[in-house]
Amino acid sequence: QLQLQESGPGLVKPSETLSLTCTVSGDSINSTSYYWGWIRQPPGKGLEWIGSIYYSGSTYYNPSLKSRVTISVDTSKKQFSLKLSSVTAADTAVYYCARLFGGGYGMDVWGQGTTVTVSS
Amino acid sequence: SYELTQPPSVSVSPGQTASITCSGDKLGDKYACWYQQKPGQSPVVVIYQDSKRPSGIPERFSGSNSGNTATLTISGTQAMDEADYYCQAWDSSAVVFGGGTKLTVL
Repeated sequence: QLQLQESGPGLVKPSETLSLTCTVSGDSINSTSYYWGWIRQPPGKGLEWIGSIYYSGSTYYNPSLKSRVTISVDTSKKQFSLKLSSVTAADTAVYYCARLFGGGYGMDVWGQGTTVTVSS
Repeated sequence: SYELTQPPSVSVSPGQTASITCSGDKLGDKYACWYQQKPGQSPVVVIYQDSKRPSGIPERFSGSNSGNTATLTISGTQAMDEADYYCQAWDSSAVVFGGGTKLTVL
């Protein structure tokens, strides 16, 4: 059964770069059937899609974050990663990774989420 | 950019039918999904491709999508259905979420 696990620092200083990794277990990361995505949720607020990546490396980003976001994939490690630069307090959130199907299938598997706080 | 609009809150009595709407320009031309999120938990997809239920999701959850509005309907609402619900669609290759609706069962 597919499982996703986010990992990374829980505290990041303002203006620095947030870096998170999602480890895939129980299934292949190389499938042509789906994408891998990052979603965040600020405290008490709704879900915000950050971006998605295909196993081949093709990426799709939220236009509002595009200038600060880089998503990459390492198929040998079965991991995909998120980097968000120049963070501010507004980037404080629970960050989720998820498996995303196109064609209207949605995100069927989510990680448990990891809390990242931006503070000095 | 594409936007999806949901009511912030919906209230329903146990056993009654709850309807949560999601509005977006020509949303009916796109596929919509719905997610349920309970406090402290990750979201769970309850409807995909407008009206299909993943395995394990109770039959009381149903969905529709036409025109500018997608609707999540919960028939015979139970206390366990109290949660936040988010609609989601695609705008080209971008994923868009609605702002979320808090469903209160009282």
